[in-house]
Amino acid sequence: AQSVTQPDIHITVSEGASLELRCNYSYGATPYLFWYVQSPGQGLQLLLKYFSGDTLVQGIKGFEAEFKRSQSSFNLRKPSVHWSDAAEYFCAVDFNTNAGKSTFGDGTTLTVKP
Amino acid sequence: NAGVTQTPKFRVLKTGQSMTLLCAQDMNHEYMYWYRQDPGMGLRLIHYSVGEGTTAKGEVPDGYNVSRLKKQNFLLGLESAAPSQTSVYFCASRKQGSGQYFGPGTRLTVT
Repeated sequence: AQSVTQPDIHITVSEGASLELRCNYSYGATPYLFWYVQSPGQGLQLLLKYFSGDTLVQGIKGFEAEFKRSQSSFNLRKPSVHWSDAAEYFCAVDFNTNAGKSTFGDGTTLTVKP
Repeated sequence: NAGVTQTPKFRVLKTGQSMTLLCAQDMNHEYMYWYRQDPGMGLRLIHYSVGEGTTAKGEVPDGYNVSRLKKQNFLLGLESAAPSQTSVYFCASRKQGSGQYFGPGTRLTVT
C-alpha cells in the first residue's frame, strides 16, 4: 500500500534555530507533494506544494521544502524558527495525480523553546 | 471569500441519534472531502467528491453517508451515532492541481 511516513512524532527546537521536518513516501511515479500546518484548534493550512520543475520550493511563512526523487523524500525546512511556528505539521502526497485524493502522514508536533 | 465553512462548530449527540454536518465552499472547487481527526491517528478520509452529484468512499466510510447536490456544498450524515464517532471532523476542498483548503472543523461528542 502507498504510504507517507513522518518519522518524527515530536520535535523541539529553540527559537531562532533551524528546523527540518522529514517526510518519506512509498515508491511511485512522481507524485504531487504538500506540506500543511495545523495550529491548535484550527484547520490545516497549506504551506507549500510540489508538482514538477525546480525541486526546491518556497512556501508561506518562510518555509521551504526539497523534493529528492532518489530518496522519495520531501523534507520541510526553515532557517530560523519563531515561537509562532509551534504547531503540528503534516506531509501529504497525491500518489495518483488524477484521483484527487491525498494520503497524509501522521504529523509532527513542533515545540519551540524560548 | 469565506473559503470553507463548517456548520456546526460543536455538537453533542446521544448514541443512536442522527445529525448532518454541512460544509460549504465559495471557491468553485470541484473536489470536496470529509476527514476525521483523532489523537495519534492523523487525518483519515471518510468520503470525498470529485464533482457535483458524485461521491466516493474513503478510508473509513462505515457509519457515514454523504451528498453533493450542489457544487458548493458537501453534507456528511451520521444516521445512528456511536461513541466511536466522537472526533473532530474537517471538510476540505480543492481544484485540480492545487492543495486543499480546510474548514475550521466540527468537534462532535457522542455519549
